[in-house]
Amino acid sequence: GENVEQHPSTLSVQEGDSAVIKCTYSDSASNYFPWYKQELGKRPQLIIDIRSNVGEKKDQRIAVTLNKTAKHFSLHITETQPEDSAVYFCAASPESGYALNFGKGTSLLVTP
Amino acid sequence: DTGVSQNPRHKITKRGQNVTFRCDPISEHNRLYWYRQTLGQGPEFLTYFQNEAQLEKSRLLSDRFSAERPKGSFSTLEIQRTEQGDSAMYLCASSRETGPMDTEAFFGQGTRLTVV
Repeated sequence: GENVEQHPSTLSVQEGDSAVIKCTYSDSASNYFPWYKQELGKRPQLIIDIRSNVGEKKDQRIAVTLNKTAKHFSLHITETQPEDSAVYFCAASPESGYALNFGKGTSLLVTP
Repeated sequence: DTGVSQNPRHKITKRGQNVTFRCDPISEHNRLYWYRQTLGQGPEFLTYFQNEAQLEKSRLLSDRFSAERPKGSFSTLEIQRTEQGDSAMYLCASSRETGPMDTEAFFGQGTRLTVV
């Protein structure tokens, strides 16, 4: 089955700096790669996703890049703010609508 | 539409007891998923329904776990003879099939199970 590895497990940055979280996956059949943000005690919420037919996608301060050949994808957050502090999960699946295989999460702390 | 709703939010049970959780997906979402999340880990897939049909079950889902979605709307997850290792947050998610691609999967707040 699919195995998703996520690094780093914790990340601390100063407000205004950029943060990068990286994930690798094992199943070449995976084509859908969402990123979820989970604040303490709350539900995971989708922040951005990418499908295998594109290499990069941006939404304001958030961007995701995908390298299908190398089987890795990354989340980039620019101009970080304290409210970006949360746990971020990457995931992979064959298509949207199928079960998601999640990484173990990255705890991001943005200090003022 | 208030999103995916799960009940109860918290459940404390004694080892060996049976528990049942309920998930009400977003209306018109035909796909429903159950995940389990333990502290410091990502959600782990348990099972998935398309309408009332259970299409996929994880190897994590032992014989003590059963899920139903009888009318293709709400779903229940039952754990029989609970063990301490079952303590976790149980998350439900739903999505809607829209042609070749689904909408995103929306998660509920989860049911936190503690087995003592």
